[in-house]
This record gives sequence, structure tokens and C-alpha cells, in this order.
Amino acid sequence: EVQLVESGGGLVQPGGSLRLSCAASGFTFSSYVMNWVRQAPGKGLEWVSGISGSGDSAYFADSVKGRFTISRDNSKNTLYLQMNSLRAEDTAVYYCAKDRAVVVPAATDYWGQGTLVTVSS
Amino acid sequence: QSALTQPASVSGSPGQSITISCTGTSSDVGGYNYVSWYQQHPGKAPKLMIYDVSNRPSGVSYRFSGSKSGNTASLTISGLQAEDEADYYCSSFTSSTTVVFGGGTKLTVL
Repeated sequence: EVQLVESGGGLVQPGGSLRLSCAASGFTFSSYVMNWVRQAPGKGLEWVSGISGSGDSAYFADSVKGRFTISRDNSKNTLYLQMNSLRAEDTAVYYCAKDRAVVVPAATDYWGQGTLVTVSS
Repeated sequence: QSALTQPASVSGSPGQSITISCTGTSSDVGGYNYVSWYQQHPGKAPKLMIYDVSNRPSGVSYRFSGSKSGNTASLTISGLQAEDEADYYCSSFTSSTTVVFGGGTKLTVL
């Protein structure tokens, strides 16, 4: 059974940093693209970032490019999202999501339950 | 990257069929067969319903089907049931090697 468990969310001040983690199990982690998708309170889904199965290629939405970094440790089956220079508009539930593809993000077939990030002073 | 365009809401009675549209551009929906549809119930994580325009993952009801014509993709739900009431989102791979979602459609089963 595929399981994705996010951690690391919380309250952070504007301009601050936070690192999210996602522990994966139930599938061959290194064989798939992994994504972060967020959802602001009462709003729709927004794709944030994706990383290839090998970790060699990373992709970012314009809204977070230059501020967020995505990485993965295939030996630990763990995905990370380093978020710097956080803004109020980054407040959202952040979902870790497994993709069906290996190299580029195409369709997310499994999702975690999400972790809430609140950016506020 | 602009969000894909979906109607804010659609509704239908039990047993009826409804269609949700998702309009993009030639740089996303029209240019690739990587269109997906997700169902999200309140307080829950999204669930993949359709991938690669028209494919259903294992376990998803045959009542859900997808198609695409030009820059517009569509999700059709036939034989509406009460449990289909949810928010639905489309997404597409883009020429920038990113993913873009639609704004979401709230389906009400009357």
C-alpha cells in the first residue's frame, strides 16, 4: 500500500524558512517523479514543484522559483521541500504527491494527507 | 503560468450525466496528452480520477470518463450519485515542464 506522510509544517514569520519532509513507502521510490502541491485555505490546488526519480531534474512554479528548493534522498525514501523567504501568500496545506511518470511531472496518483504551513507575524 | 479555466460550479440530479470543461492553450492542454482530473471531498486529499486525457486508474468507476478536443478537455460523469458531490480539478503538463491546475469546479448533486 502506498503511503506518503508529510511533516515539518507550522507557523513561521514572513521572511522565514521552513523545511517540509515526506516519508514514502509501498512503492519503488526512486522510480517516480515526486511533487509538492499546495492548497491555500478555501482555494484551489496549485502545483509547486516536482523532481525526477533520480533527483537530477527539478521543476518549479514561477510563484516559488528562486525561493523554494526540492530534493530527495532515495536511500531514505524521503522527499523534501526547503522553503525560504516565505510570504503570507505561501500559507497553505502542502501535499506530497507521487507521480505516475519517471522524469517529468504528468499525473499524481497518490497523495499524502498534507501539512499546514502558516506564514504570519 | 495561468490557471486552466473551469466552470465554478455544475449541478445535476441523480442518474443524470454532467460534463465539466477545462480550457487551456496550445502550450498545455492542447499540446500534450497529459491531462488529469482529480476529485476532492471536503477536508480530504485529492484523488486521481482520470490521467493521460482518458485513462481511468484501477478502482475508479467506469462512470467517469475523459476526453479532449483542441485546447479543451472534458470530464463526464454518468449516472450521477450522491457521493459524486465534490470539487473537481483538471491539470495539465505544460511546455515549461511544469504542471498547471484548473481553478476547480464544485459539483452539486441535487
